[in-house]
Amino acid sequence: DQQVKQNSPSLSVQEGRISILNCDYTNSMFDYFLWYKKYPAEGPTFLISISSIKDKNEDGRFTVFLNKSAKHLSLHIVPSQPGDSAVYFCAASVMYSGGGADGLTFGKGTHLIIQP
Amino acid sequence: DTGVSQDPRHKITKRGQNVTFRCDPISEHNRLYWYRQTLGQGPEFLTYFQNEAQLEKSRLLSDRFSAERPKGSFSTLEIQRTEQGDSAMYLCASSSRGGGEQYFGPGTRLTVT
Repeated sequence: DQQVKQNSPSLSVQEGRISILNCDYTNSMFDYFLWYKKYPAEGPTFLISISSIKDKNEDGRFTVFLNKSAKHLSLHIVPSQPGDSAVYFCAASVMYSGGGADGLTFGKGTHLIIQP
Repeated sequence: DTGVSQDPRHKITKRGQNVTFRCDPISEHNRLYWYRQTLGQGPEFLTYFQNEAQLEKSRLLSDRFSAERPKGSFSTLEIQRTEQGDSAMYLCASSSRGGGEQYFGPGTRLTVT
């Protein structure tokens, strides 16, 4: 049973436009969410995260939105650039009261292709 | 500032052989995690350490898998009696005390023939 779902295996966006990647989760215990970017033959690179006490977090061109009632989060990239072409993974975890987290639960990823 | 490093980057082994992978975390990070990634899937959590203590190992895939972090610095993941189904990318990540973000190494690609 997949607790983190990315239902779009791929997404094609024109350079300069907005890319929106979506993620749904089923486990109500998750309270920390992350997005990673991955190039072939490399490890995932951390992009941005959000705690369940927030509904939005922004870092440069990347914004993550969290809708707890819908158990849904999205990553917005604007403007999209050719170097953004990669596989994007959504991940979730449970944070301990003293800080730190258990292992991450990942979705299957969305392959973002930025077209010139 | 060095990131997480893993060695080797690639390993080809014959079925039935034992393999060991090494991970060196970011120096000030006290938590270290191991994941496995197969084609078309996201990374799958296996185990993690806080300093030298292994706090979660129920997710290790079978009793052929074991991990150590003897001095709270680098860690090793061993697979005994490898099977073809063990072929995958093995990823290591580390995080700081209290931090939710995990930073990944480049991974070790294992091929079992």
